[in-house]
Amino acid sequence: GAGVSQSPSNKVTEKGKDVELRCDPISGHTALYWYRQSLGQGLEFLIYFQGNSAPDKSGLPSDRFSAERTGGSVSTLTIQRTQQEDSAVYLCASSLASSGNTDTQYFGPGTRLTVL
Amino acid sequence: AQTVTQSQPEMSVQEAETVTLSCTYDTSESDYYLFWYKQPPSRQMILVIRQEAYKQQNATENRFSVNFQKAAKSFSLKISDSQLGDAAMYFCAYRSGGFGKLIFGTGTRLQVFP
Repeated sequence: GAGVSQSPSNKVTEKGKDVELRCDPISGHTALYWYRQSLGQGLEFLIYFQGNSAPDKSGLPSDRFSAERTGGSVSTLTIQRTQQEDSAVYLCASSLASSGNTDTQYFGPGTRLTVL
Repeated sequence: AQTVTQSQPEMSVQEAETVTLSCTYDTSESDYYLFWYKQPPSRQMILVIRQEAYKQQNATENRFSVNFQKAAKSFSLKISDSQLGDAAMYFCAYRSGGFGKLIFGTGTRLQVFP
């Protein structure tokens, strides 16, 4: 079946603009994760959604970052008033569940965000 | 807090040879999972192998195997019969038993020479 998809593949924006990054998880996966991969910080967890539970937002670096997941499927990560330090690859992953043996996370190809 | 350390920024291996990538982690938890992910230039993270902490037997997936030393908190990846397609960044990752997020090491870039 189809894997995790993300759009756009690449996004170039100007400092101060808002951006939206989209993630389509594998059908039937209840858990969805966002990570950020940057040269300076490596791979960092941002946020995760598990079913109808409140999301774990503990990794969001500032209040300029937010994410939502509509209908338990598609997720959108929004970055407001982008800064140059937001430049990174944003990876999305999904899994059947967030614990136990069904927790394997499958990753999308990422969105490369460049803030000029 | 849990941490994952990969002390080898770069490794290289000759095609058909064996290479071992190192990973150590720090945790006070008893229930956790460990993973190795491969990231080729396409950026897509691909799961190579996983290990449940409660299992003493080392995980194996074809040419990939791990040496899991729980007491030493070590989780190394052995790649046998290396192939050109194995060239990539390899990330070691930790996940608590009850929480979904992965904690990654800084990665090891593996080069494979013909």
